[in-house]
Amino acid sequence: DADVTQTPRNRITKTGKRIMLECSQTKGHDRMYWYRQDPGLGLRLIYYSFDVKDINKGEISDGYSVSRQAQAKFSLSLESAIPNQTALYFCATSDRAARRETQYFGPGTRLLVL
Amino acid sequence: DQQVKQNSPSLSVQEGRISILNCDYTNSMFDYFLWYKKYPAEGPTFLISISSIKDKNEDGRFTVFLNKSAKHLSLHIVPSQPGDSAVYFCAASPNRQGAQKLVFGQGTRLTINP
Repeated sequence: DADVTQTPRNRITKTGKRIMLECSQTKGHDRMYWYRQDPGLGLRLIYYSFDVKDINKGEISDGYSVSRQAQAKFSLSLESAIPNQTALYFCATSDRAARRETQYFGPGTRLLVL
Repeated sequence: DQQVKQNSPSLSVQEGRISILNCDYTNSMFDYFLWYKKYPAEGPTFLISISSIKDKNEDGRFTVFLNKSAKHLSLHIVPSQPGDSAVYFCAASPNRQGAQKLVFGQGTRLTINP
């Protein structure tokens, strides 16, 4: 089984709809991240959480919100989706206690906003 | 403002030859650098990293070189194999201990020709 899972893997929605992307991990890591990937721009950090009570904005947080329901779960919400939020979304985790911290990524959610 | 830049969107190399992927950064606060590899329909996977206190790190066929004065790093793959065909992302972190709040480059698509 994958260590970092994302649901759904693909989603089509309409402008103005609220949607939630979910991320779960079985790695036991304390830190979780949400990124989006756009062609020609690489991955950009949306939000990150260093533990259950900690939520921080990343580079491009406008239009998004997150919830860290448990150490293993980190959800990303688009309150009112717009077409320029069409992108590939990745969740990642890392372990603060690791000798050399590395981020591990989920398989991604492809989102299309019409 | 792109703090991490990969100026070559694509690179094509003959199997068995050396592949050299380049990355430049502008923020002198970056202390830890990573390379990730991404296959289609999968999340990025960690490949190799280097701390700013070193100028070279080697792992099998993969070597990363860091030139701090030029704010430049490169990934060498030798010999290149067909399975190396993927998109490679350079990433940087302000934390020497590891990968927090990563800033990614745009990616370089590497194609290894038989």
